[in-house]
Amino acid sequence: DAGVTQSPTHLIKTRGQHVTLRCSPISGHKSVSWYQQVLGQGPQFIFQYYEKEERGRGNFPDRFSARQFPNYSSELNVNALLLGDSALYLCASSPIDRAGNTIYFGEGSWLTVV
Amino acid sequence: RKEVEQDPGPFNVPEGATVAFNCTYSNSASQSFFWYRQDCRKEPKLLMSVYSSGNEDGRFTAQLNRASQYISLLIRDSKLSDSATYLCVVNGPGGYNKLIFGAGTRLAVHP
Repeated sequence: DAGVTQSPTHLIKTRGQHVTLRCSPISGHKSVSWYQQVLGQGPQFIFQYYEKEERGRGNFPDRFSARQFPNYSSELNVNALLLGDSALYLCASSPIDRAGNTIYFGEGSWLTVV
Repeated sequence: RKEVEQDPGPFNVPEGATVAFNCTYSNSASQSFFWYRQDCRKEPKLLMSVYSSGNEDGRFTAQLNRASQYISLLIRDSKLSDSATYLCVVNGPGGYNKLIFGAGTRLAVHP
């Protein structure tokens, strides 16, 4: 079975541009979360969606938005890109939303803003 | 204060050594605890969940002390392949799937 898949794997954008990152969860998983990992730090929580509803939002500006589709895939959008948005963006999926739930990460999308 | 704090290392140890990592977390309401492993430029992968009674998986032993809000990971008989960054993770307020990561502890195992 396919794991969590993300696209694109690498991309370069210019300051001020917009980017859309995509994620397909593991088949049967209804929860998708997004994380940003800057070099040298642990991943930082951005959003969580479960059954197409936003369940959590991290401390990120409104330039960051996301949505989950009926097939449980998800998009992360970032507007007005800044140099500081350069990071690895990780998507994670899990079957449900409860304590002890195992969460699986995709390989991530490397975003470079120049 | 960071929500999850870890010693960044690096820990440089010879093959066969025993090494211990520690982690503290600030949210007493956290209910899920994990150790993830992350190789250079790769995604984090679950190493093991951590239970209140402590748990072991082969050479790896994890302990949780809820009263002290402290988590540990012990690696016995280190292998070269254990070289990686080890991330301490707890669930954050507002959701079981909202994970709060420490910055990670780097381990380098040398021959």
